[in-house]
Amino acid sequence: NAGVMQNPRHLVRRRGQEARLRCSPMKGHSHVYWYRQLPEEGLKFMVYLQKENIIDESGMPKERFSAEFPKEGPSILRIQQVVRGDSAAYFCASSPADRGNHEQYFGPGTRLTVT
Amino acid sequence: AQSVTQLGSHVSVSEGALVLLRCNYSSSVPPYLFWYVQYPNQGLQLLLKYTSAATLVKGINGFEAEFKKSETSFHLTKPSAHMSDAAEYFCAVQSGGSYIPTFGRGTSLIVHP
Repeated sequence: NAGVMQNPRHLVRRRGQEARLRCSPMKGHSHVYWYRQLPEEGLKFMVYLQKENIIDESGMPKERFSAEFPKEGPSILRIQQVVRGDSAAYFCASSPADRGNHEQYFGPGTRLTVT
Repeated sequence: AQSVTQLGSHVSVSEGALVLLRCNYSSSVPPYLFWYVQYPNQGLQLLLKYTSAATLVKGINGFEAEFKKSETSFHLTKPSAHMSDAAEYFCAVQSGGSYIPTFGRGTSLIVHP
């Protein structure tokens, strides 16, 4: 039973380029969450998605960031025109639809470096 | 509103000594509480969770945590530290009805031989 998968694990982009981060949830999970982690800080919530729907994007920056979770395929976190401040570890988590205790299962993360 | 405070960004113990990582929370409704561990360059792994059943929760790797409502605390303990316990530990609170947990800033556990 594969866990949450994220790719790439490491991504280097120059300022102004686009970054695409992918997340495949655990089998049977239909809820996906994206978090950002800066050095020596906790995880900051960015966006919560279900298949084809954005449920809560209150943690997403208003510009340059977008997320999707299509009917088929992985969830994508897209960062346009990256800046150095976007350098961070981005984690995806998933949960099943019918769990009352809302436990989340995390992927290994994508470490984005903007040069 | 919900929030988490982890006291001490770094905790250092000797191998075999008691581990105590502190977590205090704030929640307007009875919460779910979690402890996660993160090893270098990896994602978060659930250690244990409190979901309004027993107040003393046992997790993996010999860790346990006690929910104390009167103190709004959920401290993580382990009787005897092992070198392999060295990692970053995160406490998280999630209010009932919310899908979004709030994480603390993390505590780095250092274990000395």
